[in-house]
Amino acid sequence: QLQLVESGGGVVQPGRSLRLSCAASGFTFSSYAIHWVRQPPGKGLEWVTIISYDGTYKHYADSVKGRFTISRDNSKNTLYLQMSSLRPEDTAMYYCARPTSGWYKDAFDIWGQGTMVTVSS
Amino acid sequence: QSVLTQPPSASGAPGQRVTISCSGSSSNIGGNFVSWYQEVPGTAPTLLIYRNNQRPSGVPDRFSGSKSGTSASLAISGLRSEDEADFYCAAWDDSLSGWVFGGGTKLTVL
Repeated sequence: QLQLVESGGGVVQPGRSLRLSCAASGFTFSSYAIHWVRQPPGKGLEWVTIISYDGTYKHYADSVKGRFTISRDNSKNTLYLQMSSLRPEDTAMYYCARPTSGWYKDAFDIWGQGTMVTVSS
Repeated sequence: QSVLTQPPSASGAPGQRVTISCSGSSSNIGGNFVSWYQEVPGTAPTLLIYRNNQRPSGVPDRFSGSKSGTSASLAISGLRSEDEADFYCAAWDDSLSGWVFGGGTKLTVL
């Protein structure tokens, strides 16, 4: 079964750090670029970042550039999102998502169930 | 404010046909594929349409997508109560080097 499972969310104070994980199963993880997409409570979807299949290409939304770092460990079939200098506006459900063909411009056909991050003092 | 523009709401009676529009620019919709997602509150989004008009296996043919220039649309025919959800369009943006989404359209089945 094709699956992505996020973990690591929680409540964190502004300015602190948090690391999210996304465990993949049921497909050849090392062949696919993977994205992080977030959704603030009651709001729409926002693309956050992408990493290429081999980790050599990474790109970030301006809203998180310089604060978030995406990485992957293909030996563990796991994607990570290191979030630092967190702000209240980073509060959101965070999803990892796989593009249909592995190509970064292709649609997201597999989504995780999401992990909630709340930034609050 | 979202890069792609969608109407905030849409509605229709059971059995009717509804269309949701998505407007962008040459850097996103105009030059790249459009995809559509359905999100039932409290659950993760699911892919409805990819590459402008392709349906993943398992998506009923009541759902169809189209694109013309810098705009796209999602049509839902034979509306059913279970179609009530939020719908989002999305595309890669070459200027931003990232994905952009519409603000979402809440569909109500009357």
